[in-house]
Amino acid sequence: DAGVIQSPRHEVTEMGQEVTLRCKPISGHNSLFWYRQTMMRGLELLIYFNNNVPIDDSGMPEDRFSAKMPNASFSTLKIQPSEPRDSAVYFCASSLAGGNTGELFFGEGSRLTVL
Amino acid sequence: GESVGLHLPTLSVQEGDNSIINCAYSNSASDYFIWYKQESGKGPQFIIDIRSNMDKRQGQRVTVLLNKTVKHLSLQIAATQPGDSAVYFCAETYGGSQGNLIFGKGTKLSVKP
Repeated sequence: DAGVIQSPRHEVTEMGQEVTLRCKPISGHNSLFWYRQTMMRGLELLIYFNNNVPIDDSGMPEDRFSAKMPNASFSTLKIQPSEPRDSAVYFCASSLAGGNTGELFFGEGSRLTVL
Repeated sequence: GESVGLHLPTLSVQEGDNSIINCAYSNSASDYFIWYKQESGKGPQFIIDIRSNMDKRQGQRVTVLLNKTVKHLSLQIAATQPGDSAVYFCAETYGGSQGNLIFGKGTKLSVKP
């Protein structure tokens, strides 16, 4: 199994630029999650989708953040405009709803640095 | 096993010893608990879970203990190996919802050869 695939693995950008992070979930999984990880705040859920539909986006920090899931095999998280405080590792995870509740399968993350 | 600010609690053990990582959870309504392991540069990986109707569950070399009275969860790793070096997170949720999964701040386990 390929696992959850995220790209890019690393991104360095300047404040004000648009950032797009990509995720390919595990084939057959119907739930997808975007998390952000920082030392200060740990792992925070930003948004999750069930069957490509956003269920809860209350964790999205502000309007600069948006996420889409146009089909079952692809999702994007976009930050526009980016700010230095957005610097973090962003993880995508997928799961099979109705399966083992706690078992989310995480990608290796996208490390974002905003200068 | 909760962190404050920038510093993760760290547990340092000798290879072959047993490790115990602790976690205090916050929501008394939580009914499902999970331990995740995160190696450097990788995403978290599921280790073991336990439901609130149990107080102990064993896996391969790992045991999770749950004390609902004091809202405490622990992960015991037997015969700790260098490959166990990682950050360990507890997570809690309720009502069977993955969307309600709340992660703790983590504990760093360092295994000395």
